[in-house]
Amino acid sequence: QLQLQESGPGLVKPSETLSLTCSVSGGSIRSSRYYWDWIRQPPGKGLEWIGSIYYTGSTYYNPSLKSRVTISVDTSKNHFSLNMNSVTAADTAVFYCARRSMDSTCFDIWGQGTMVAVSS
Amino acid sequence: SYVLTQPPSVSVAPGQTARITCGGNNIGSKSVHWYQQKPGQAPVLVVYDNGDRPSGIPERFSGSNPGNTATLTISRVEAGDEADYYCQVWDRSSDHYVFGTGTKVTVL
Repeated sequence: QLQLQESGPGLVKPSETLSLTCSVSGGSIRSSRYYWDWIRQPPGKGLEWIGSIYYTGSTYYNPSLKSRVTISVDTSKNHFSLNMNSVTAADTAVFYCARRSMDSTCFDIWGQGTMVAVSS
Repeated sequence: SYVLTQPPSVSVAPGQTARITCGGNNIGSKSVHWYQQKPGQAPVLVVYDNGDRPSGIPERFSGSNPGNTATLTISRVEAGDEADYYCQVWDRSSDHYVFGTGTKVTVL
């Protein structure tokens, strides 16, 4: 069964770059059937889609975050990554990676999430 | 940008039916998905494409999207159904995935 696992620093300083990785196990990230997405959730708030990537490297971003976000994929390591620059306290959130099927627009498998706090 | 509106909270007695609504402009033309999120856990897909259920999701969870408002219905509610529920769509005009504001379901 496919599983996703986020990893990365739990604390980032303001104005610096947040970097997270999502490791895919139990399946290949090279599948032509899926996109791989990042979603975040500030404490006590709702969900916000950040962006997605296909195994070929094609990316799609939330327009509100596009200027600060880069998503990349490493098929040799079966993982994909998120970089978000110029972070502020407003970027403090639980970050989830998720899988999205090309047959639908839903997110059918999620990682457990990782909390990232932006603070000096 | 596209906005999905949900009631902040819904309360229901065990064994009764909970209905959670999701409103958005012309939502009937979109595929609506629903997620359940328990405290400290990742969201779980419970209904996709308006009314389909992933494997392992009880038949008590059903969805509809007839036009102006999409609805997630939880029949024969159990204590374990207490959670936050989010609707979600893809907004074609902005190629952007949008989540609803979320509804907290409390089992009395």
